[in-house]
Amino acid sequence: GQNIDQPTEMTATEGAIVQINCTYQTSGFNGLFWYQQHAGEAPTFLSYNVLDGLEEKGRFSSFLSRSKGYSYLLLKELQMKDSASYLCAVKIGRGSTLGRLYFGRGTQLTVWP
Amino acid sequence: NAGVMQNPRHLVRRRGQEARLRCSPMKGHSHVYWYRQLPEEGLKFMVYLQKENIIDESGMPKERFSAEFPKEGPSILRIQQVVRGDSAAYFCASSPPRTGTAKNIQYFGAGTRLSVL
Repeated sequence: GQNIDQPTEMTATEGAIVQINCTYQTSGFNGLFWYQQHAGEAPTFLSYNVLDGLEEKGRFSSFLSRSKGYSYLLLKELQMKDSASYLCAVKIGRGSTLGRLYFGRGTQLTVWP
Repeated sequence: NAGVMQNPRHLVRRRGQEARLRCSPMKGHSHVYWYRQLPEEGLKFMVYLQKENIIDESGMPKERFSAEFPKEGPSILRIQQVVRGDSAAYFCASSPPRTGTAKNIQYFGAGTRLSVL
């Protein structure tokens, strides 16, 4: 089966930097996604990695190491509105199964003033 | 450009009734996915559809659950004879026609919260 692990909860203060880790054990890896989900709302797309390395997009960056089955999401200059659940998801498979995403349980980030 | 629209946002059913959940994908998107989220758990894949075709339903329970994406109208996830264990948030996502890359981002709706009494 597929296994995706991420911490359940994290806290940080406004203006700080936080790194949310995600490890995965899957077969047929085809990319890793990070989503942000506020309570009661839709998950919104943050980033996508398929090759090793760092992808930067404003205050958010995402890193991938395929050999280690490891990714992290880095959030800089934290704001109160960044308090949310952050979901790590892996796309695997070929052909007809290429569409499915496997999600971790999400990391609930709380940003304190 | 409206996002993925799901309705109803909240649905209450008694045991044994039927639940019908609707999803209208983003404009121009021809792929629809349904996921279920139980409390304290991650999103779990259920089914992947294109217009008039079920591509992958391996995540869907064999009984009582069905999904369709007709040529016209929204995608429907149908749960017959609901039980308490069906209580969950059901999310729909859509993506554009495949471009040959794996990226094909899935955009999510706000979900339908189903409560079975």
